[in-house]
Amino acid sequence: ELKVEQNPLFLSMQEGKNYTIYCNYSTTSDRLYWYRQDPGKSLESLFVLLSNGAVKQEGRLMASLDTKARLSTLHITAAVHDLSATYFCAVDLQGAQKLVFGQGTRLTINP
Amino acid sequence: DAGVIQSPRHEVTEMGQEVTLRCKPISGHNSLFWYRQTMMRGLELLIYFNNNVPIDDSGMPEDRFSAKMPNASFSTLKIQPSEPRDSAVYFCASSFTGAAEKLFFGSGTQLSVL
Repeated sequence: ELKVEQNPLFLSMQEGKNYTIYCNYSTTSDRLYWYRQDPGKSLESLFVLLSNGAVKQEGRLMASLDTKARLSTLHITAAVHDLSATYFCAVDLQGAQKLVFGQGTRLTINP
Repeated sequence: DAGVIQSPRHEVTEMGQEVTLRCKPISGHNSLFWYRQTMMRGLELLIYFNNNVPIDDSGMPEDRFSAKMPNASFSTLKIQPSEPRDSAVYFCASSFTGAAEKLFFGSGTQLSVL
């Protein structure tokens, strides 16, 4: 059974700081997704990582994938309040977009 | 495109009643997914369809849950009879099955079973 674990589950940080969210998974997969969810809202796709060593950046967010370590990271640079949300990673179990989600990391960025 | 459209946005019902949730995927997408989100269990995949055919329903909790996709533009998730433990947000998502296209999620249906 595929398990996807994120840490930390809760993260409170100040604006301007850098931090990293980690996503570990238990079964071989080369497809990993990052989503953002604002309170009471739907999930918004951030990144799709398709191969070992893949790195994608959008604004202050950068995601990377190490399939050998079964690890993905989401790095936040110089955080701003607007990035406050819950971030989920998800692993494609069978290459059919049958995604298994992590528990989510609730990020709060304080002014 | 209007995105994935779900209805209703909110549903409050009494235990034992039948509940039907509806989803219209993005035009041209050939895969459709139903997820459930709760605080305790997070996001769980209930069932997914490819080209209107159910591919994997192993996540459907029990026989009280059923899902259909009669055509490429419509799907339903039915709970009969509903129970308080079914209270959750139910999301529908769609995608085009290709080179790992990302899933697009609807706004969700907040279901409360009293």
